[in-house]
Amino acid sequence: NAGVTQTPKFQVLKTGQSMTLQCAQDMNHEYMSWYRQDPGMGLRLIHYSVGAGITDQGEVPNGYNVSRSTTEDFPLRLLSAAPSQTSVYFCASSLTGDSYEQYFGPGTRLTVT
Amino acid sequence: GQQLNQSPQSMFIQEGEDVSMNCTSSSIFNTWLWYKQDPGEGPVLLIALYKAGELTSNGRLTAQFGITRKDSFLNISASIPSDVGIYFCAGQLASKLTFGTGTRLQVTL
Repeated sequence: NAGVTQTPKFQVLKTGQSMTLQCAQDMNHEYMSWYRQDPGMGLRLIHYSVGAGITDQGEVPNGYNVSRSTTEDFPLRLLSAAPSQTSVYFCASSLTGDSYEQYFGPGTRLTVT
Repeated sequence: GQQLNQSPQSMFIQEGEDVSMNCTSSSIFNTWLWYKQDPGEGPVLLIALYKAGELTSNGRLTAQFGITRKDSFLNISASIPSDVGIYFCAGQLASKLTFGTGTRLQVTL
């Protein structure tokens, strides 16, 4: 099993550009989530999904969209990038929403200029 | 949004020393978790705690779920160089994890 994979590893965007961060898992996990990590702020939940076709907002959802058309994939879209979205983004998955063991991907480091 | 108060923010210790860090919240959680993050990697789960008052060990790591369900601590005994990294606590309620701000641990020989 590859676990949780994220692409790209690094990305630089100009303000106003759009892009999609990819996340995939091959563990047949129902629950997937996106976090952003900023210096001194820990990880903050952006969006999450408890299963295919179901998504919900986390703590900091503004400026981001998600969809969950399959169990395996959970892409995160930035429609119009802003410098405040410069961060490291982590995708995570777990068997269910109540499962404590969330597996994290390696992260995507995004810089918006 | 809520974040957990984690202390200390950073620690410099000598190899062989014991380490203690803690996490407090104004809210109750059903589960407390401790993660370690190495540079350039995602967090990795170290210990999970499910019941108030629970004390759990994983090798040199020991963690406790506070009796009020609003706090937790993590102890590392006899630290070694590979313990270097950032340690995060996290509280879980329903389907959401709330993370602490992290404790950066540096170990000197």
